[in-house]
Amino acid sequence: DAKTTQPNSMESNEEEPVHLPCNHSTISGTDYIHWYRQLPSQGPEYVIHGLTSNVNNRMASLAIAEDRKSSTLILHRATLRDAAVYYCILKVAVLSNFGNEKLTFGTGTRLTIIP
Amino acid sequence: NAGVTQTPKFQVLKTGQSMTLQCAQDMNHNSMYWYRQDPGMGLRLIYYSASEGTTDKGEVPNGYNVSRLNKREFSLRLESAAPSQTSVYFCASVLSLNTEAFFGQGTRLTVV
Repeated sequence: DAKTTQPNSMESNEEEPVHLPCNHSTISGTDYIHWYRQLPSQGPEYVIHGLTSNVNNRMASLAIAEDRKSSTLILHRATLRDAAVYYCILKVAVLSNFGNEKLTFGTGTRLTIIP
Repeated sequence: NAGVTQTPKFQVLKTGQSMTLQCAQDMNHNSMYWYRQDPGMGLRLIYYSASEGTTDKGEVPNGYNVSRLNKREFSLRLESAAPSQTSVYFCASVLSLNTEAFFGQGTRLTVV
């Protein structure tokens, strides 16, 4: 399975943008890039996902490098509620191969927001 | 719409006891997953079920069994609990490969 690498921790000031990087140099052409976050004492929640093009939703933006070997999750204006562990995950898009429908988490980036 | 429901929320077992963690989803999702999360660690996949009637091992399947009873329910069984299985267990479900996964609130299991 393709792996992802993220920094263990990051800090950001409240109300400033946050850029969370993820390296996935062994990504294959059919792997989607998913981001989840886990707030304290809760289960993970979906943030955003994409394949090749940059993606935006109400929570965040996802910037994907042209060679797809890295991506960046962008929180445009961090709030204290964004303090969480953020996970970058590769999810295989091959419908015919049920053996690769695993959703595998790495260790993630612990984001601290400074008031 | 309840999403993914896990029961129980908390459980204390003695070493050697058995128990089943229940997970149910009401979103008609095809794939379901069981994870464990040890303190300060990320989630590790125990077992998953890509569709009703199929199950496969994840990263850490030893000491566990699963059953995909129907499309809604995916249970995790500990036949003989060990202290090393003290953890928080999360269940998740996904409609299809590139839609978002939904997670339950977790079951906090302590084995003494």
